Amino acid sequence: QVQLVQSGAEVKRPGASVKVSCKASGYTFTGYYLHWVRQAPGQGLEWVGWIFPNSGDTLYAQKFQGRVSMTRDTSITTAYMELRRLRSDDTALYYCARDGQTGGAFDIWGQGTMVTVSS
Amino acid sequence: QSLLTQPPSASGTPGQRVTISCSGSSSNIGSNAVNWYQQLPGTAPKLLIYRNNERPSGVPDRFSGSKSGTSASLAISGLQSEDEADYYCAAWDDSLNGYVFGTGTKVIVL
Repeated sequence: QVQLVQSGAEVKRPGASVKVSCKASGYTFTGYYLHWVRQAPGQGLEWVGWIFPNSGDTLYAQKFQGRVSMTRDTSITTAYMELRRLRSDDTALYYCARDGQTGGAFDIWGQGTMVTVSS
Repeated sequence: QSLLTQPPSASGTPGQRVTISCSGSSSNIGSNAVNWYQQLPGTAPKLLIYRNNERPSGVPDRFSGSKSGTSASLAISGLQSEDEADYYCAAWDDSLNGYVFGTGTKVIVL
């Protein structure tokens, strides 16, 4: 079935970097945009950016530009999101989500990866 | 702060109809499709409505969406206990050149 499976929880120190993976299966990986969305504890959803796996093109939310990188490895149908210079307010659940070619609607979501930033 | 404003909460008894509003601007709702997501406690969001009023396969027809100008709304008719969740509207914003989510609405089934 169509699914996105993310890597496990991470605990990082302030100033460090984290790289989260998102493994896609059950569909043509290169045919759909993949977005990253985060949710701080008890808070709402926040869009981080997208990557188009076919070309590797990316677009990041202004807030994260300079600190985030999204990449992919098409040979293993996996996308990655790296966030650098972590701060305590980066503590959140990070989701990858597929844009289902339905007007920018995210039809498939990963299970989420908890990233905790703490000294 | 979010560019899409929703009421913090909405409530109703089983069987009632509940409506959630989502207020935006000309750069987001006014010029792009609105999508709605349902997030049950402890789970990832789920697509509920896309392109303003379309339902993905498997979503009950109790859920419906509409859009007018720079506002959108989600209606839940025949409210059920399993509808208790957080609901988010979302749309592309041309000025930000990014995707924006609403502030979220918690639906409580009394």
